[in-house]
Formats: sequence, C-alpha cells, structure tokens
Amino acid sequence: QSALTQPASVSGSPGQSITISCTGTSSDVGGYNYVSWYQQHPGKAPKLMIYEVSNRPSGVSNRFSGSKSGNTASLTISGLQAEDEADYYCSSYTSSSTPLFGGGTKLTVL
Amino acid sequence: EVQLVQSGAEVKKPGESLKISCKGSGYSFTSYWIGWVRQMPGKGLEWMGIIYPGDSDTRYSPSFQGQVTISADKSISTAYLQWSSLKASDTAMYYCARHRWEALDYWGQGTLVTVSS
Repeated sequence: QSALTQPASVSGSPGQSITISCTGTSSDVGGYNYVSWYQQHPGKAPKLMIYEVSNRPSGVSNRFSGSKSGNTASLTISGLQAEDEADYYCSSYTSSSTPLFGGGTKLTVL
Repeated sequence: EVQLVQSGAEVKKPGESLKISCKGSGYSFTSYWIGWVRQMPGKGLEWMGIIYPGDSDTRYSPSFQGQVTISADKSISTAYLQWSSLKASDTAMYYCARHRWEALDYWGQGTLVTVSS
C-alpha cells in the first residue's frame, strides 16, 4: 500500500487560513468516511485533531475543520497561530481493513 | 483520565529479541482496540497493527506481517510489541494508541528503539 498523498509543506501568516490536502483512491479516502487528522509537534506524540472526516474530539479548537470531496480529504486551520506550527498527518480506513497514513505535511507559521 | 504509558527506551544489537509494552488506564482496556505505529527517524507515521485485548484478535499491516508480534495481557491492561530478531532498520520510535472511531484517539509517549552493533 502506498501512503496517502499530502503536500510536503504549507505555510501561512498568523490569522490566515490554510488547507492541507490528502489524496487517496476509491479504496480508501473516497470509499469511506473514516478520515482522521493528527498534529505532531517535534519530539511529541501525535494528537488526534479530526476523526470521521469532520468531527473534532473534545478539547480541539474549532479553528480546525475537516472535509472530503471524492478521493481527497482536507484539513483547514483558520485564524492561524504560532502554536499550530507542526507536522500534520492524515489517515484513512482502507478496503484492506487496515488504516493508511499520509506522508505528512510540515506547517510553517511565518 | 485515559492514559497509555509505554516502557522506556531500548538499545539493542542486531539479532537480539525485544518486547516493549503499553499499559492502559482510566478506561475499560478490554473494550477498545490498541494500535501500534512506527516512526523512523525524520520520517512519517506507519500503521503496524492492532489488537483487541478483550479476545486478542490481532490484525497486521501487510508491511509488518511476520516482522513483529502484537499481543496483550488483559489481566494487567498491557499490550506488547515484540521482535524475535532485530535489524538496524528497526531503529525507530514506536507509539501505541487507543483505537476509536476508526482513528487513534489517545497515544502513549512513545518508546525509542535503537538497534546498533
């Protein structure tokens, strides 16, 4: 299985909005509403930010939102803050009954 | 409070065996799957496999099938990841995490495994 496709890096200024894409196939992203997103700061464990495409776990800021169209899922962060600078990973359930991660995107807050 | 506490860092030689652990607390350990995730130095996350501690049903990513063994002891709320013969390429951070909503909602702090001669 190949990793889901994410841009290697994105950047934005404080207060702006950015979107990170996650492209798969009809056997993963496009076939199921089980896309999740994780934030990972350097040296820390990942943190769940979005599950089931667009749901936020308790305690996650509403500045984070998720969506999906066809085989591509997206994570949008609005009102960008310095603390949002981190690596972001998408993940999707697949037809093999096993999840698959994206390659990760480094978000830089300028 | 849900917590997953992993065992400490390990330094091993190629060919040695190793078993690392992940102890859950603050929730019903037997009611949620536990997954293992590898992160090689400077690289992304890779899903390795998952176990249901209630009955030890286990599933592996094709990339890791036969390379590692995932197990659990529900009597002590602990999941394990083990290798029978380590390789230098097994050097990585390994995370356990609770599986919910087809996602990983609580993560352990990670166990760094270094394999070097």
